[in-house]
Amino acid sequence: EPEVTQTPSHQVTQMGQEVILRCVPISNHLYFYWYRQILGQKVEFLVSFYNNEISEKSEIFDDQFSVERPDGSNFTLKIRSTKLEDSAMYFCAIFWGEGYTFGSGTRLTVV
Amino acid sequence: KNQVEQSPQSLIILEGKNCTLQCNYTVSPFSNLRWYKQDTGRGPVSLTIMTFSENTKSNGRYTATLDADTKQSSLHITASQLSDSASYICVVSYANTDKLIFGTGTRLQVFP
Repeated sequence: EPEVTQTPSHQVTQMGQEVILRCVPISNHLYFYWYRQILGQKVEFLVSFYNNEISEKSEIFDDQFSVERPDGSNFTLKIRSTKLEDSAMYFCAIFWGEGYTFGSGTRLTVV
Repeated sequence: KNQVEQSPQSLIILEGKNCTLQCNYTVSPFSNLRWYKQDTGRGPVSLTIMTFSENTKSNGRYTATLDADTKQSSLHITASQLSDSASYICVVSYANTDKLIFGTGTRLQVFP
């Protein structure tokens, strides 16, 4: 099963600041996803990314969010102006034919 | 509304005992159902995956069942170990879409 590494593991940011969360799949993949989990709640779908384009996004994924794969390897989630309610665990995932592999997550705390 | 509900919300058992976790879903059209284990502060790790036509799938001490007619699934854990303490999440896929629908999970605690 392929591995997915996320950095940083924990980020604290002030409200209104921009943050970039990074995801590094170990081997070449085409299907990428971001999910988030607010403390004590279920995991929620944010966006799927295929062949360098967004293929699907949820209502959570508004204009404050963007994704890209700038160097063909790292897959990033950017939040332009963070809000308190953006505090959550953010998980990157890949689809590799037999299933999904999730990263260990980035805990984002907005203060 | 497409939802995945799990029960119980939490469960405490003694080491060595068996337990069964339940999942009901209303997702339609259905593609497949997965069970994940999530340790606190970590990402979900896949245990089993079942498609519409599969009734049961085992992975070591984990056995999942699926009744696509009643839209119910269960995860049975045999001879529990302390390391089984985690949240167990039922996840359902729509047909023809990328996104996964997660249940709220069952938090299992195994005590010695």
